[in-house]
Amino acid sequence: EPEVTQTPSHQVTQMGQEVILRCVPISNHLYFYWYRQILGQKVEFLVSFYNNEISEKSEIFDDQFSVERPDGSNFTLKIRSTKLEDSAMYFCASIEVGGTYEQYFGPGTRLTVT
Amino acid sequence: GENVEQHPSTLSVQEGDSAVIKCTYSDSASNYFPWYKQELGKRPQLIIDIRSNVGEKKDQRIAVTLNKTAKHFSLHITETQPEDSAVYFCAASIKNSGYSTLTFGKGTMLLVSP
Repeated sequence: EPEVTQTPSHQVTQMGQEVILRCVPISNHLYFYWYRQILGQKVEFLVSFYNNEISEKSEIFDDQFSVERPDGSNFTLKIRSTKLEDSAMYFCASIEVGGTYEQYFGPGTRLTVT
Repeated sequence: GENVEQHPSTLSVQEGDSAVIKCTYSDSASNYFPWYKQELGKRPQLIIDIRSNVGEKKDQRIAVTLNKTAKHFSLHITETQPEDSAVYFCAASIKNSGYSTLTFGKGTMLLVSP
């Protein structure tokens, strides 16, 4: 069964550094999402992306964040200047066009900002 | 925006007992309600979902009920097994012509003792 994949599985970075988290959605999916989950807390929506543009974003998704689909397969989340509070698990998800409502989640990238 | 409340935060049951997790939502326009199971360190995985045109849905030992008037929905797990131990998240979204942004509850840690 096709799965959403994410790299890296764990990223450690120093405060103020830029990070790029990568996702490969399921091939026939056209809606993409980024969520984050701070340790022990709920999953929070960051941004949705469709047709090469942001569809919706939460208040968490400020100017430090950006998303991009640089080619036909990858979907990236960039944090320009990381803060300690950005430490979390970041999940990518995708949804099939015209299919079920189910969002398929990737395995996540654990970001640790020191 | 949508707000989803989930109770209880932890639930301990004996193997074979039933478990019930309850969620309420605030936006009457929400029309899609998935439940995700998340094992430690793993991605959230959809276990069952329900749309607003249905009051109940069942899949083997798992069932979900929806009360649109009261704006609450519940997950029922019967004959619980130790492998059901995980964190369960409810979510709500407005499924329109395309994408749907999930608003998650805070999660319920279910512990099933042998």
